[in-house]
This record gives sequence, C-alpha cells and structure tokens, in this order.
Amino acid sequence: KAGVTQTPRYLIKTRGQQVTLSCSPISGHRSVSWYQQTPGQGLQFLFEYFSETQRNKGNFPGRFSGRQFSNSRSEMNVSTLELGDSALYLCASRVSEGYTEAFFGQGTRLTVV
Amino acid sequence: AQTVTQSQPEMSVQEAETVTLSCTYDTSESNYYLFWYKQPPSRQMILVIRQEAYKQQNATENRFSVNFQKAAKSFSLKISDSQLGDTAMYFCAFMKQGNTPLVFGKGTRLSVIA
Repeated sequence: KAGVTQTPRYLIKTRGQQVTLSCSPISGHRSVSWYQQTPGQGLQFLFEYFSETQRNKGNFPGRFSGRQFSNSRSEMNVSTLELGDSALYLCASRVSEGYTEAFFGQGTRLTVV
Repeated sequence: AQTVTQSQPEMSVQEAETVTLSCTYDTSESNYYLFWYKQPPSRQMILVIRQEAYKQQNATENRFSVNFQKAAKSFSLKISDSQLGDTAMYFCAFMKQGNTPLVFGKGTRLSVIA
C-alpha cells in the first residue's frame, strides 16, 4: 500500500507569489491534515479536511487555504507569499475522523526568496 | 489550550545503550492520547508509540517504551539497545479525545554514536 505522497518535494518561490501544494493520502484514508514545520515555531497545525469539508483550522492568516477533492486528495494554497512562509509543510492522513493514528508524508520544503 | 514541553533540545547515546527522552504536557482534559513521533533526515514523521490516557499500563513497542505519569503530566520515552538508525528528531505529541489536531513539542534531537 502506498504511503502519503506529497508533491512537489522542493519548491522555491518569490515573495508575493502564490503556491499550491498537493497531498495524496493513503488509499482508503479520508481525513487529511496539514502542518507547518519551522525551526522557530516547530510543528503547527494548519487545517484538517474530511469528506471535502474543513473540520478544523489552526491559527494562520487567511492567505493559507486548502481544499479536499472527492478522491480525498488535498491541496493547500498560500497566496502573497512572505519570507516567513519558508517551511516544511507536512501532510498527514487518517482513516477517518476520530482515528488517532496519523500517517505523514515526507513534506514539501518551501523556500520563499 | 494544550501545551507540550520537551526540555532536552539535544541528546546523545552510545550504540546499544539506553536513553530516556522527557516530555511534559499541560491539559485540563481527562481523556486524551499521547504519542512519540520520530523524524529522521528523510523528514517523514513516523509514529513510534501511542498511549491512551485512560490506560494505566505503559505502552511498549519492541525497544521503545514509555513511562506515563498522568498525575504528573509526564510522558517519557525510553529507547533500549539504541541503534544507529534511531538517530532522528523525536517529537512528543498530544491529542484530545474527539476530532482534534495533534499538538507537538519542539522536539529532541537524538544522536546515536557508534
């Protein structure tokens, strides 16, 4: 069974641009969460989707958004990029809401210059 | 809000020795879950061990075991017979019961030395 797949693995963008990251969960998993990892702030929760609906949202500005498709694949978008958005973005999938075990992808390393 | 504290930013251990990583948390919840995740240089977070707060028995997974002290809000990870492949960042995480996100500590960088 394939694991959680995140694309692209690396990305370099310029300040002010926007970016879209993709996450394909493990087959059969319907819940997808996104986390931002930085050296200063550590791992912070962005949002979670289940059945194409956002279930939870972390404390991030509106420039950060996401969505989930009917096949459970998820995308997150960051508009008007800032230098501080440089981070490792991790996606995690769970079988469903209420399941505690989360499986993570290898992340997308975003660098904003 | 829940917080998770890992007081040891870095640790090292000799191969085949035992090491204990510390974690404390703060919550007013009575039912919750605690986790240790490992993040090797490949960046992929891997679940090492999980503990349900309502279970008094400490969880074990092969060479990994925890010391869960609910009253003290402490959740340490013991790695026995350390191996070079155990070199990684280790994150302690908390999850409330229900559909809630993981809350992570800042991590402990563990180096296993040959």
